[in-house]
Amino acid sequence: NAGVTQTPKFRILKIGQSMTLQCTQDMNHNYMYWYRQDPGMGLKLIYYSVGAGITDKGEVPNGYNVSRSTTEDFPLRLELAAPSQTSVYFCASSYDRGSYNEQFFGPGTRLTVL
Amino acid sequence: RKEVEQDPGPFNVPEGATVAFNCTYSNSASQSFFWYRQDCRKEPKLLMSVYSSGNEDGRFTAQLNRASQYISLLIRDSKLSDSATYLCVVRSTNSNSGYALNFGKGTSLLVTP
Repeated sequence: NAGVTQTPKFRILKIGQSMTLQCTQDMNHNYMYWYRQDPGMGLKLIYYSVGAGITDKGEVPNGYNVSRSTTEDFPLRLELAAPSQTSVYFCASSYDRGSYNEQFFGPGTRLTVL
Repeated sequence: RKEVEQDPGPFNVPEGATVAFNCTYSNSASQSFFWYRQDCRKEPKLLMSVYSSGNEDGRFTAQLNRASQYISLLIRDSKLSDSATYLCVVRSTNSNSGYALNFGKGTSLLVTP
C-alpha cells in the first residue's frame, strides 16, 4: 500500500491564483481530513469527510473548499490565494471513528503565496 | 486557553539520558490521547496511544492523569534517532469534528552524541 499520497510536494502561488491540492489513499478508509500546519504551530483542521459525498468544515475552513466523490480521493481547493494561506498542508485518513483509531498522514504539500 | 499545551522546548539531551515531556489539555470531555512524532519537514506519525492506566512501549512510557488533565511521555536511554518533535494530541467528541484531532505545538528534542 502506498498509504496517503499528496501532490504536489511544493507550490508557489501568486496572490489571487487558485489551485487544487490532491490527496489519495489506498487503504479503503472512510474518514479523511485536511490539516494545515503553520511554522511553530500545531496542526489545525480545515475540512473533513466521513465518506464519499459527505464533507464538513473544521476549525479553519475559510478560503478553502473540498469534495469527496470517491472513497480514495479528497482534493482541497484554494480559491483566490492569500499570503495567510502560506503553510504546510497535510491530508490524513482513518478507518473509522473509534476512540483510538490511528490517523495516517500524507507527506504534505508546502505552499507559499506571494 | 489553547486546547492542548506542551512544554515549549527545545530539549537538548545527551545519548542515554532520560527525558520527560508534559502536556495539558483544557477539555474535560476529551476521550482519546496520543503522542505523535514529527521529523523535520515530514508528516506526523503515531508514536503511541495513551491509556488511563498508563502504557509502555519499549523505551517509551506514557501516562495520563484525567483529574489533572495532564499527559506525559518519558523516553529512557535516548538515542540519536529519537531527535524529532513530539506532538501531544487529544481527541474530544464535542469539538468541531467528532473525528479530528487537536494538536499541541510540539516539543523539540535533540539528542546529542
